[in-house]
Order: sequence, then C-alpha cells, then structure tokens
Amino acid sequence: AQSVTQLGSHVSVSEGALVLLRCNYSSSVPPYLFWYVQYPNQGLQLLLKYTTGATLVKGINGFEAEFKKSETSFHLTKPSAHMSDAAEYFCAVNEKLTFGTGTRLTIIP
Amino acid sequence: GAGVSQSPSNKVTEKGKDVELRCDPISGHTALYWYRQSLGQGLEFLIYFQGNSAPDKSGLPSDRFSAERTGGSVSTLTIQRTQQEDSAVYLCASSPSGQTNEKLFFGSGTQLSVL
Repeated sequence: AQSVTQLGSHVSVSEGALVLLRCNYSSSVPPYLFWYVQYPNQGLQLLLKYTTGATLVKGINGFEAEFKKSETSFHLTKPSAHMSDAAEYFCAVNEKLTFGTGTRLTIIP
Repeated sequence: GAGVSQSPSNKVTEKGKDVELRCDPISGHTALYWYRQSLGQGLEFLIYFQGNSAPDKSGLPSDRFSAERTGGSVSTLTIQRTQQEDSAVYLCASSPSGQTNEKLFFGSGTQLSVL
C-alpha cells in the first residue's frame, strides 16, 4: 500500500521568502511522485513530477522538488514566494495517484 | 482542445435522495478517475476506469456509491440515499493511457451539498 504525509496543513510565508512544503511517502515499489496545485476556484493542475533520472525536478512557476530515497521525501521549494503562489498544494504518489491531505499556502505581503 | 468537463458544478440535495454526477474526459483519454475532496481530508480515491478493463472500485466508501463509464468516454458517479457526510467536492480526472507516470487532467469538480 502507498501513502503520502504532508506536514503542515497550513503554511504562511512572507512575500519574497523561501517556500518549503514537506511531503513524505511510503511505497513498496519505486515511486513516481507528483506535486499538484489548486488555485482558488480552479481545478488541480500538475506542478511537477519525478519519475526516473535526475532527483531534482523543476516545475512551473519557479517551483522545484528533490526526491530523496533515503528520507522517503519529496519536499517542494521555491526560493522567493510571490503573492500569486497562494494556493493549496497536494503531494501524490503513483498507483491510483494517492494524495496527501494538502497544504494551504498563504503569502503575507 | 477541451479539458475535463464535469456537471453540474453545484448540486444541493436532500438527505435520502439519489444524485448523479457526470464527467466528460478529454477526448482519447483511456483512463478516468473519480476522487472526493472533503475539507481537511485531501483527495480520496474512489474509482478508476482504464479502457475496457474492469474498473478498480476499491475506493468506493459504501455500496451506495457506484459509477459507470459508457463507450469508454463519459462517466457517471451515482450516490444513492445520500447522507450528510457525502457532502464534498467530487473531482473527475483523465489521463491518456493510465500509466502511473502520467499526469492527470482534472475537471473543476461538482460541489455536492446534502441537507
């Protein structure tokens, strides 16, 4: 069975500050990992994904995530937060795309 | 081309009534998923269709929930004898072939409110 844990249901950062959203997973098979973003009143869209190869993955809007097998983690980062980053972020692992409970990111002006 | 379309966008119903939620996936996508998004619960997998294979119903929470996919395209999720705890956003997604490394394309969801 697969599972995803997102630490922190709510995260607030100041505009221009580092964004760090945490995701840990468990999987009995080599995982494919995803981050999806849900902007207010919009559907979910893919931010980035890790399948194989390079463990540092770059996505849209300046976000990136690093797959660390030893830590079973796939944390999402962005060096400098922008007001438009305010949204809910979901980490997911393959097979029926099992999702975490989400992290709501608030940007403080 | 058009994205995943869901209807209705909002549905208010009375406890005990049946409801049908519709999903039109992206044309040509063989895989179709239903999820439920409840406040504070994240996305809960409900059911998965892939081509002509038998659907994976392992996420359906009770026998009041059922889904079908006609002609490999449109899907309908039916909830019988709705309960207040069924209130949630029901999301549909599709992907080109259902491979586990593919991204999913999501619809905007149906907000179901059971009074």
